[in-house]
Amino acid sequence: DGGITQSPKYLFRKEGQNVTLSCEQNLNHDAMYWYRQDPGQGLRLIYYSQIVNDFQKGDIAEGYSVSREKKESFPLTVTSAQKNPTAFYLCASSPATGYGYTFGSGTRLTVV
Amino acid sequence: GENVEQHPSTLSVQEGDSAVIKCTYSDSASNYFPWYKQELGKRPQLIIDIRSNVGEKKDQRIAVTLNKTAKHFSLHITETQPEDSAVYFCAASRRNNDMRFGAGTRLTVKP
Repeated sequence: DGGITQSPKYLFRKEGQNVTLSCEQNLNHDAMYWYRQDPGQGLRLIYYSQIVNDFQKGDIAEGYSVSREKKESFPLTVTSAQKNPTAFYLCASSPATGYGYTFGSGTRLTVV
Repeated sequence: GENVEQHPSTLSVQEGDSAVIKCTYSDSASNYFPWYKQELGKRPQLIIDIRSNVGEKKDQRIAVTLNKTAKHFSLHITETQPEDSAVYFCAASRRNNDMRFGAGTRLTVKP
């Protein structure tokens, strides 16, 4: 599916729960990213990683955590500290920073 | 850090007309400017990009222009069709730095 796979497509979280969103790519890209998309607000950067075992905070990292143990994988955990997690989450990858992205199909997270 | 502003937020045109979306950026070191198209409920897809050593790039009905001095770039779509209806995002980045997106333009092409 375009070389980058996000799962699940829909996710429901109860109050106080941590949930993990999966992102896997087989494009051999070094850089990976997580964005949050809210209606009318465009894409806001949560975290990004340029190489394995290294990642940087974006503009809205509070309440989120990531890991990059393998080049192919960049999971995002939405913790209970994130007070308004309902949104559409997009993962992307690129050969390096400063190049065009390939996006995953997204995960829609809803708090119930 | 980089800040990208995009205008207009919504744009409605008649089929066959042209559409222009404009973006400005703040970081003079930015050297890569892509445009993405996002249809409802789908992932953004790269439609055209331009690097700072080029002033204009065309791909069929789509073109992008870049003015580095003024720090603005624009997307031009000619002979618009209903399937062009989508949200369009501009972005700016530089090597070894993350990419920042504009807030998006919702384009509606009326048959």
